[in-house]
Amino acid sequence: AQRVTQPEKLLSVFKGAPVELKCNYSYSGSPELFWYVQYSRQRLQLLLRHISRESIKGFTADLNKGETSFHLKKPFAQEEDSAMYYCALRAIQGAQKLVFGQGTRLTINP
Amino acid sequence: DTEVTQTPKHLVMGMTNKKSLKCEQHMGHRAMYWYKQKAKKPPELMFVYSYEKLSINESVPSRFSPECPNSSLLNLHLHALQPEDSALYLCASSGGGRGDTQYFGPGTRLTVL
Repeated sequence: AQRVTQPEKLLSVFKGAPVELKCNYSYSGSPELFWYVQYSRQRLQLLLRHISRESIKGFTADLNKGETSFHLKKPFAQEEDSAMYYCALRAIQGAQKLVFGQGTRLTINP
Repeated sequence: DTEVTQTPKHLVMGMTNKKSLKCEQHMGHRAMYWYKQKAKKPPELMFVYSYEKLSINESVPSRFSPECPNSSLLNLHLHALQPEDSALYLCASSGGGRGDTQYFGPGTRLTVL
């Protein structure tokens, strides 16, 4: 069974501080991992995916297969980063089904 | 057009009503999805259409009936819903290939009285 765990429902940090949103997954195969973000009153949108290995809005995430983790990091948080963040998994074999974690609400304090 | 659109934005219906949710995309995507999102919960997959054929049904009750009239449109027909079906219903689309990103619509906020 595919499962995504985001242990923190809420995370609050000060502007300029480093941010790390945790994501762990369980799946026996080689999944594809994503981070989606939902800003206030906006639609859910893709932030980044592990196969792209890119940095978006200063965020990076590395897939650690040994620890089955895909933590999202940013060295210096900005107020506009405040949003709901979802980690999601797609089984390569399944191709279409996305399984989401419970989400972490990130608040950046001025 | 690079967006997924959904209508209506809000819908209130009684348990005996029949209503439909509509989703549209003009990005040439060949896969379309319905998700249900309860308050403070993540989206949960309901249905997937791939090349206009139903490819995934996540054991959704029959009071929800999806329809894909063409590659740009996806409907969700609602009948005899229960109050616990009140939620945000999200539509998404993707290219249809295995590595494709899903793009989400803004959702329809459904309230069942």
